[in-house]
Amino acid sequence: EAQVTQNPRYLITVTGKKLTVTCSQNMNHEYMSWYRQDPGLGLRQIYYSMNVEVTDKGDVPEGYKVSRKEKRNFPLILESPSPNQTSLYFCASSLLGGQAFFGQGTRLTVV
Amino acid sequence: RKEVEQDPGPFNVPEGATVAFNCTYSNSASQSFFWYRQDCRKEPKLLMSVYSSGNEDGRFTAQLNRASQYISLLIRDSKLSDSATYLCVVLLNDYKLSFGAGTTVTVRA
Repeated sequence: EAQVTQNPRYLITVTGKKLTVTCSQNMNHEYMSWYRQDPGLGLRQIYYSMNVEVTDKGDVPEGYKVSRKEKRNFPLILESPSPNQTSLYFCASSLLGGQAFFGQGTRLTVV
Repeated sequence: RKEVEQDPGPFNVPEGATVAFNCTYSNSASQSFFWYRQDCRKEPKLLMSVYSSGNEDGRFTAQLNRASQYISLLIRDSKLSDSATYLCVVLLNDYKLSFGAGTTVTVRA
């Protein structure tokens, strides 16, 4: 089954404690991206990758890092999380120019 | 100015009614257009792509107006299960997807 898998689905952490949210897709898509969704603001792109070892900043990259060492995986790293990074996060993948498939989301709370 | 703007609603309609709403986009070089559906904080899922000639999928009709830079979605014969947030999505020329904040539709019995 074609899918994008994110883990964990829910996470509560403390300020400053490094965390990684994993994202994996099995559709051999070139394009992967991370979004955060906050009430009234819609989905905002954090980082994206057009292929292995090619990553670039989206609209709200501050406080986040990513890597794309393999085509299927695109982890999101928060080196020092802060409360303003409390949000709902989605990973997505697509063929270049095609429809996006989303993971189920990660609800992150930073206290 | 936001790249994609939508009327947030909510649109509260009775079952069987027709509901329609628009989305405007600012980048005239936008290549492709989509409507996604999102249920209560779950992942967005593709509802339909929007083609230049307009297209229909069952009770859903999407239209694109490039001259005025807007797309529309019309839902006929609304069902309770149509209650959701509808996201307007525009593909820019660098493969970036730009999302509207969503239009909330509630269909009541």
